[in-house]
Amino acid sequence: QVQLQESGPGLVKPSETLSLTCTVSGGPFSGYYWNWIRQPPGKGLEWIGDIYYSGNTNYSPSLKSRVTISIDTSKNQFSLKLSTVTAADTAVYYCARERSGGAPGRLDVWGQGTTVTVSS
Amino acid sequence: DIQMTQSPSSLSASVGDRVTITCRASQSISTYLNWYQQKRGKAPKLLIFDASSLQSGVPSRFSGTRSGTDFTLTVSSLQPEDFATYYCQQTYTNPRTFGQGTKVEVK
Repeated sequence: QVQLQESGPGLVKPSETLSLTCTVSGGPFSGYYWNWIRQPPGKGLEWIGDIYYSGNTNYSPSLKSRVTISIDTSKNQFSLKLSTVTAADTAVYYCARERSGGAPGRLDVWGQGTTVTVSS
Repeated sequence: DIQMTQSPSSLSASVGDRVTITCRASQSISTYLNWYQQKRGKAPKLLIFDASSLQSGVPSRFSGTRSGTDFTLTVSSLQPEDFATYYCQQTYTNPRTFGQGTKVEVK
């Protein structure tokens, strides 16, 4: 079955760039939107953005100026970069697959999540 | 952005209870509404998509309905493993938005 695994530093200094990668295994990479979602401690889910396997991206307006999502189809990976981070960016970051295919999109496969703390 | 408002933010229930959670969209989203369950320390899990379609492997005690811009998740008979936080999400347009969550606790 399809599995997603986030990887990247767990600690980032303020004003630096947060970089995470999601590796997709066990299933097709093409034909899906690949998403990043985050969850600050004790709070709800926030959609960051997505990328289609062709490379088209969509971003949350509140983060758009700082976010870049990219894709490497040769490695079945997609990545998140969030620049100029502050303590407010401390969160669990999830990658997830959005499936549509004839029905409204839904996030049917999620990574386990990775905790990123912004602190000096 | 489309705002998704969930109610209640938390509720207390007992095993066997019928539990209902509501999500209201700030504008029409057709049936582009999903429900997720999240247990402590775990990733969310898809329960319902397209407002009322049960995700494969999800018990039939979970169901979803739509009335205009109001959506409801119902658990017909709450089981011990159902104590968790539930989120709605619209995928009608970008940015995708989630409700603030409903925590279902033991009474």
